[in-house]
Amino acid sequence: GIQVEQSPPDLILQEGANSTLRCNFSDSVNNLQWFHQNPWGQLINLFYIPSGTKQNGRLSATTVATERYSLLYISSSQTTDSGVYFCAGPSGTYKYIFGTGTRLKVLA
Amino acid sequence: DTGVSQDPRHKITKRGQNVTFRCDPISEHNRLYWYRQTLGQGPEFLTYFQNEAQLEKSRLLSDRFSAERPKGSFSTLEIQRTEQGDSAMYLCASSPQDYSPLHFGNGTRLTVT
Repeated sequence: GIQVEQSPPDLILQEGANSTLRCNFSDSVNNLQWFHQNPWGQLINLFYIPSGTKQNGRLSATTVATERYSLLYISSSQTTDSGVYFCAGPSGTYKYIFGTGTRLKVLA
Repeated sequence: DTGVSQDPRHKITKRGQNVTFRCDPISEHNRLYWYRQTLGQGPEFLTYFQNEAQLEKSRLLSDRFSAERPKGSFSTLEIQRTEQGDSAMYLCASSPQDYSPLHFGNGTRLTVT
């Protein structure tokens, strides 16, 4: 099955700063998802992005399927952006494999 | 659309006891997934249902674990003879079809003492 690597593993930002999170896949994928896990453990789906670029408010994501990576951009970060960001891609027919996450802390 | 619901939110049990968790997916979502997450790690796949059929099980799912989805609606995950290594967050997710966004519940946090 595929392997998913995320970088950086940890990130500390001052409120208002921008950041880029990266997700690399060991094999080509036909879809990819980004999630935010808040400090209470809730996993929220941010993007379903097989390829190209999508934007949602201060967040945007780009997937380059042919080069097996995806980027998540956070602009004008806020303290509520703190938490863990995961990417996940399909492995086999049914299951999704998650990376180990990027732990983000935004300081006021 | 009330989201994916999991019950209970927290469960503390003694080693050797059996526990059962419930997941109610978003209505009309016929795909249902169970994942397990330990501290500092990403969610690990346990099993997948399409309607009532369990189509894939992870090797992580030992003989002590069993999952069901009768009538293709809610699902249950049972752990028999719990061990301390079973302590984790158990997450349920649903989706309307393959290759569509996963929607997760709040999870059930299991602590085995």
